[in-house]
Amino acid sequence: DTGVSQDPRHKITKRGQNVTFRCDPISEHNRLYWYRQTLGQGPEFLTYFQNEAQLEKSRLLSDRFSAERPKGSFSTLEIQRTEQGDSAMYLCASSSDREGEKLFFGSGTQLSVL
Amino acid sequence: AQTVTQSQPEMSVQEAETVTLSCTYDTSESNYYLFWYKQPPSRQMILVIRQEAYKQQNATENRFSVNFQKAAKSFSLKISDSQLGDTAMYFCASFPGAGSYQLTFGKGTKLSVIP
Repeated sequence: DTGVSQDPRHKITKRGQNVTFRCDPISEHNRLYWYRQTLGQGPEFLTYFQNEAQLEKSRLLSDRFSAERPKGSFSTLEIQRTEQGDSAMYLCASSSDREGEKLFFGSGTQLSVL
Repeated sequence: AQTVTQSQPEMSVQEAETVTLSCTYDTSESNYYLFWYKQPPSRQMILVIRQEAYKQQNATENRFSVNFQKAAKSFSLKISDSQLGDTAMYFCASFPGAGSYQLTFGKGTKLSVIP
């Protein structure tokens, strides 16, 4: 069990650019989640996948955000036309079907939009 | 919809002493889960303890225990024999038993353990 892996750890981009983050869940976990955390706040739910199906999306997830999990393994989160307000830590988590409520988090990708 | 409230932005405790962090929540679910997560400066969210709402017995994990008051919708975390490594942000969170997969977090309590 190598844990949830996220790449990159840090990303600095200019406003208007597109960015993509990757998450590799724990290998036997079918459930995958994306969260966003801004400074001084708790994480906020963005979206949920069960295998390759995206089953739940937050209204926080604007049309500039898209997430995929094409083969039910790793997932990507893309932000198009980044804005300064997108600066945050993007956290990925996974859980098993047996204990779906027990989320294991990755170390996150810290995004800074200049 | 679920809400989680942590009313203590910061707390401190002397090493080896006991500290209690408060959390209240609101949910319309009859079955749900409650959690405390720890986030040290490394930013990795680490699960500390989990409570299933249908269980009356309070959960314990080594030096960590909870006081779950279902009627009052209160879920506090007690850390005994505090250690320097306990210094971190602590987040209370709730997860619905069905219908949604959103883990809802409070704003966190920054705990400092003083040597």
